[in-house]
Amino acid sequence: SYVLTQPPSVSVAPGKTARITCGGDNIGSKSVHWYQQKPGQAPVLLIYYETVRPSGIPERFSGSNSGNTATLTISGVGAGDEADYYCQLWDSSSVHWVFGGGTKLTVL
Amino acid sequence: EVQLVESGGGLVQPGGSLRLSCSASGFTVSSYEMNWVRQAPGKGLEWVSFISRSGVKIYYADSVKGRFTISRDNAKKSLALQMNSLRAEDTAVYYCARSPKEEPFFDYWGQGTLVTVSS
Repeated sequence: SYVLTQPPSVSVAPGKTARITCGGDNIGSKSVHWYQQKPGQAPVLLIYYETVRPSGIPERFSGSNSGNTATLTISGVGAGDEADYYCQLWDSSSVHWVFGGGTKLTVL
Repeated sequence: EVQLVESGGGLVQPGGSLRLSCSASGFTVSSYEMNWVRQAPGKGLEWVSFISRSGVKIYYADSVKGRFTISRDNAKKSLALQMNSLRAEDTAVYYCARSPKEEPFFDYWGQGTLVTVSS
């Protein structure tokens, strides 16, 4: 089935911009969704359909998707953004919902 | 307020069975697809199963197909996951997650229930 590849970890200084990638075969032709999971908590929907933020999600979180890479961008990173981030899509060929392996964001 | 509350987790021996439940409130349950997603200790998220609003469409991850059964009772606002022939690799926190009508993402999640398969 379809495979999504994320870097295990990303580090960024406070106030800077973090970019978390999600790689997949021709992923730009698919709809990608992003979740944030803080330690000991359930995941929270962060972005759906690449760029749409649910109510309550700050504009600092944005997404893009092209070619073989989808990207979650977090601007003005703060300590409260330290979390695991997961990309996800629906694979129509297998009728499976697929998650990337997750990326741990560390704020230096 | 949307709430999803899982229950039924616990310690079970390999080969044993367990039934998880998810109680929903704060929304019209029959208008949403429902899922189970799990997370092994220290690992990432893994989708387990999907059930459509009416219960007609059901899908399973390959890792659980033939062993797990998802069901729902819209009148009781509940979702269930019957897990049989449990293996050590099924050890995980199991989350109940809601999907809007025919949308391929999960917009609300419960807090999860821990299932430990060990002798």
